[in-house]
Formats: sequence, structure tokens, C-alpha cells
Amino acid sequence: DAGVIQSPRHEVTEMGQEVTLRCKPISGHNSLFWYRQTMMRGLELLIYFNNNVPIDDSGMPEDRFSAKMPNASFSTLKIQPSEPRDSAVYFCASSRMYGYTFGSGTRLTVV
Amino acid sequence: EDQVTQSPEALRLQEGESSSLNCSYTVSGLRGLFWYRQDPGKGPEFLFTLYSAGEEKEKERLKATLTKKESFLHITAPKPEDSATYLCAVQARRNFGNEKLTFGTGTRLTIIP
Repeated sequence: DAGVIQSPRHEVTEMGQEVTLRCKPISGHNSLFWYRQTMMRGLELLIYFNNNVPIDDSGMPEDRFSAKMPNASFSTLKIQPSEPRDSAVYFCASSRMYGYTFGSGTRLTVV
Repeated sequence: EDQVTQSPEALRLQEGESSSLNCSYTVSGLRGLFWYRQDPGKGPEFLFTLYSAGEEKEKERLKATLTKKESFLHITAPKPEDSATYLCAVQARRNFGNEKLTFGTGTRLTIIP
């Protein structure tokens, strides 16, 4: 079991550019969660999917953020256009029932 | 709205000095309370899930307890390798399927040799 795989590990981009973060959940897990972590606000849920269907996207900051889960083994989080305040660590987690497994995160820096 | 408050924000202990971390929560129907450990540059790593008041779970030097309003993570005779940020999260019993976790901001624990 390779765990939850996120890419890239680090991303540095200029303000206004499009950023795409990727996540491969654990095989057999039917729920996928995108979290954002900052020093000030800790871990915040952005969006989560059950069986590839978005269930709650109330944490998505604004229309610049979008997420997709085209199949059970892949999800993307896109920011367009990116802004410096989007700088954070973005985590993906997957779950089958009660156990949540997190990926190693993508550290995003927008300059 | 579900809320989780952890205290203290940071804690420094001498090696072998036992202590407790606190997690206070409000949730409309608790399905589970989770404790995670997070090391710098890594994702949170699962430690425990507690489901009902009075429940306790142990793992090595850690013991987690749960009441109707709070949870404690007791650390007995800690070692430097226990240094990490400890996160508490709650899951509400709302939907049949999986429900999101709401996290506290964590306690940063440092064990001094």
C-alpha cells in the first residue's frame, strides 16, 4: 500500500498563474478530502467527495478554487488565478469508513 | 457548527516529565473523536479514535480519554521522539456516508533531552 500520493511536493508560482495539485487516494477508499493548512488557521477542509461525487464544498474560499474527481483513483485541486494568500500546505486524505489517511502534502508558495 | 479547541498551543517538557494535552469540542452528535500526530513537513498520522464518553485507548506512552465535552491525550514519561504537533479532530454523525473531520489548531509538543 503506497498510501495517499500527492504531487507535486513543492510548487512555487507567480501570482496570477494557474496551479493544479494532484492526489491519488488509497485503492478501495471511497471518500476523498482536500484540506489546507496554515499557521494561523490550522487544517481547514476545502471540499470532500464520496464515491467521486462532491458532498461539501463550503470550505472552498472562492471561485478561483475548483476540484474534480473524475474517477476513484484521481483528484485535482485547481487554483486560477493564484494569489499570495493562497500560500499554504494542501493535504489530500482518503477514507473508507472511519480511518482517514493523509498524504504528505503540497507546499504551495505564490510570489 | 462543529468546533474544536486545543490547549496549550505549545508545551515544552523535560524527558520523562508526564503531562496532558486538552481538546475541547462542540458537535451536534459525535460519531468519533480523532487524535493525530504531525511531524514537520509531513501529513498527519493517525493515533486514536474514540467513540463514546468514558472510552480510553493506549499506545506506548500515549493514552487518550474522552468525556462528553473534551478529550485528553496523556503522555507518560515522554522521550524526545515524542516531539511533534498533536492534532485533535471531531467527526459528526450526520450522514450515512463518511463525514468530514473538523480539526483543532494543535499542540506543539517539545521534549527536551
